[in-house]
Amino acid sequence: QKEVEQNSGPLSVPEGAIASLNCTYSDRGSQSFFWYRQYSGKSPELIMFIYSNGDKEDGRFTAQLNKASQYVSLLIRDSQPSDSATYLCAVPAGSSNTGKLIFGQGTTLQVKP
Amino acid sequence: GAGVSQSPSNKVTEKGKDVELRCDPISGHTALYWYRQRLGQGLEFLIYFQGNSAPDKSGLPSDRFSAERTGESVSTLTIQRTQQEDSAVYLCASSVGPGGNTIYFGEGSWLTVV
Repeated sequence: QKEVEQNSGPLSVPEGAIASLNCTYSDRGSQSFFWYRQYSGKSPELIMFIYSNGDKEDGRFTAQLNKASQYVSLLIRDSQPSDSATYLCAVPAGSSNTGKLIFGQGTTLQVKP
Repeated sequence: GAGVSQSPSNKVTEKGKDVELRCDPISGHTALYWYRQRLGQGLEFLIYFQGNSAPDKSGLPSDRFSAERTGESVSTLTIQRTQQEDSAVYLCASSVGPGGNTIYFGEGSWLTVV
C-alpha cells in the first residue's frame, strides 16, 4: 500500500496563474513534509519543507498542511514557464529517525506562456 | 566536491552482467541514501547508510543488489546478473545526518539493461 499519493497530471496552467499541487499521505503521525522539484532528466531538488505545526511561505511558493484530511499542498503563485517540472512530495518513513523518505510518484506541471 | 557526485552517468549493459555504481557524497555528510527511479515513476528507497553501516536496507529488491560504504564517504551499489527490469536511474543522496535534515541528490546513474 502506497504511503504517499499524487495525481501524476499533467497539470497545465497559464503563465501568471496559481498552480496548486496536492499530495495525500497515509501515516497520520507524519510530522514533516517535503516538496522536491525535478526537471526532466535531472535530479530532484528540495524546494520546500514544512513541519506539522504550520504552513510555510517562501517567495512564490506556499506549502499548506491539512492534518484532518491528511494532505499537503504546494501553491505556486505567478507561475512561470521555468516552473514546468515534476513535483515530488515526500514524507519520512514511519517513526524511524533515519531520514529515509517515502516519495509520491510526482505531479507534472506545465506552465504555458 | 560541492555536490553529490555519481558515476557513471550513463551505463548500458547486457542482461546478466554485473554493474557497479559509485557515489561520492558531500564532504562531511554522514548519512547516505540510494534510491531508484523508473521512467515516469517516483523514487523507491533502496538503502540507507549512517557512517559505514547500513541500518536500513529494506528497499533492496533482491539479493542481486548490494551496497557498501567505506571511509564514511564513497558508496558503491552493485547489481549482479542484471535484468531488464533493473533499467532505471539510480540516485544517490546525502545529508548532514539522519532525521529530517535536507537531503541532497546527485545527478543519478542511468542504467539501461539490454
